[in-house]
Amino acid sequence: GAVVSQHPSWVICKSGTSVKIECRSLDFQATTMFWYRQFPKQSLMLMATSNEGSKATYEQGVEKDKFLINHASLTLSTLTVTSAHPEDSSFYICSASGHSGNTIYFGEGSWLTVV
Amino acid sequence: GENVEQHPSTLSVQEGDSAVIKCTYSDSASNYFPWYKQELGKRPQLIIDIRSNVGEKKDQRIAVTLNKTAKHFSLHITETQPEDSAVYFCAARSGGSNYKLTFGKGTLLTVNP
Repeated sequence: GAVVSQHPSWVICKSGTSVKIECRSLDFQATTMFWYRQFPKQSLMLMATSNEGSKATYEQGVEKDKFLINHASLTLSTLTVTSAHPEDSSFYICSASGHSGNTIYFGEGSWLTVV
Repeated sequence: GENVEQHPSTLSVQEGDSAVIKCTYSDSASNYFPWYKQELGKRPQLIIDIRSNVGEKKDQRIAVTLNKTAKHFSLHITETQPEDSAVYFCAARSGGSNYKLTFGKGTLLTVNP
């Protein structure tokens, strides 16, 4: 099946710094990518929808200036957590769908720990 | 927007028994309903899905049923095994062009040997 790769799988950063997470579709063109955050023992919460070549659509309550999303090509979307704080520590996971949007594939996820 | 409710939040069964997880959705325009299995710290894995033009789908020990009128869908796992233990999420995809998935809160399934 289609593969979505996410990098890094885990990262530790200092409070106040920025962290970039990449999401790549390896064998298909992803017109739309989604970024989720998952806190321990909770469900996946959609943060934003990333559309190639246009601005991301953020869910209510998600700060667009803090969570910068760039979807510059049909195979790559990036999420940058700016000025990270300990409360941003979480599991971040992306998913992607192709042109038909029929099936959604998830990346491996990225564990972010802000110290 | 879409709202998905999932029950139960935890489910414990004996090996060999069946497990049923139920979800309801609010948006009658939703047309795609996948189920994911997630092990701790790993990505959700699609285990089965159903589209709104189908009432039931089965894949070996796993089946999903959909009642569009009542706006609910269920996951059925028969002959459960310890390796079925995980968190299961239902989701609904709303109509429109963005293919956005809304997830239920998840069900922690424990299969006891």
